[in-house]
Amino acid sequence: EPEVTQTPSHQVTQMGQEVILRCVPISNHLYFYWYRQILGQKVEFLVSFYNNEISEKSEIFDDQFSVERPDGSNFTLKIRSTKLEDSAMYFCASSVDKAEDQPQHFGDGTRLSIL
Amino acid sequence: SQKIEQNSEALNIQEGKTATLTCNYTNYSPAYLQWYRQDPGRGPVFLLLIRENEKEKRKERLKVTFDTTLKQSLFHITASQPADSATYLCALSSNTGKLIFGQGTTLQVKP
Repeated sequence: EPEVTQTPSHQVTQMGQEVILRCVPISNHLYFYWYRQILGQKVEFLVSFYNNEISEKSEIFDDQFSVERPDGSNFTLKIRSTKLEDSAMYFCASSVDKAEDQPQHFGDGTRLSIL
Repeated sequence: SQKIEQNSEALNIQEGKTATLTCNYTNYSPAYLQWYRQDPGRGPVFLLLIRENEKEKRKERLKVTFDTTLKQSLFHITASQPADSATYLCALSSNTGKLIFGQGTTLQVKP
């Protein structure tokens, strides 16, 4: 069964540094998402992306964050100047379309640790 | 803003029993509600989706109900097994595609 893959599985970065998290969504999916989960807390929506544009973003997704689909397969999340509070699991997800009746398929996440 | 609540206390049950998990929501009238399973260190895995006009949905040993009057969904696992031990997440589907998750309920099935 096709799956969403994320790299790296764990990223350790110094505060203030830039970090790029990478995702390969399922190939025939058109909608892509990033979520994050701070340790012990709920999974929170960050951003959705379709047709090379951001469809929706949460208040967490401020100017330090950006997303890109640089080629036909990868979907990236960049944090320009990381803060301690950015430490979390970051999950990429994809779906066939954005309809409310579509399940989302998640990767196993990147654990981001900011020192 | 939309709020979704799940029992934060872990649920411990004996193998073979039925596990029932609760999801309550406020300030929203979703047309769809989804349930996911999350194992430690892994991403959520889709289990079931139920529409507002469906009272009940089943898949193998899983059953979900959706009561839009009570603003509540119940998730049942019958004949539970130790392999069912995980955290179960309830999520509201918004019309923009984003999922709004509850904090999850951890289920522990003891042999």
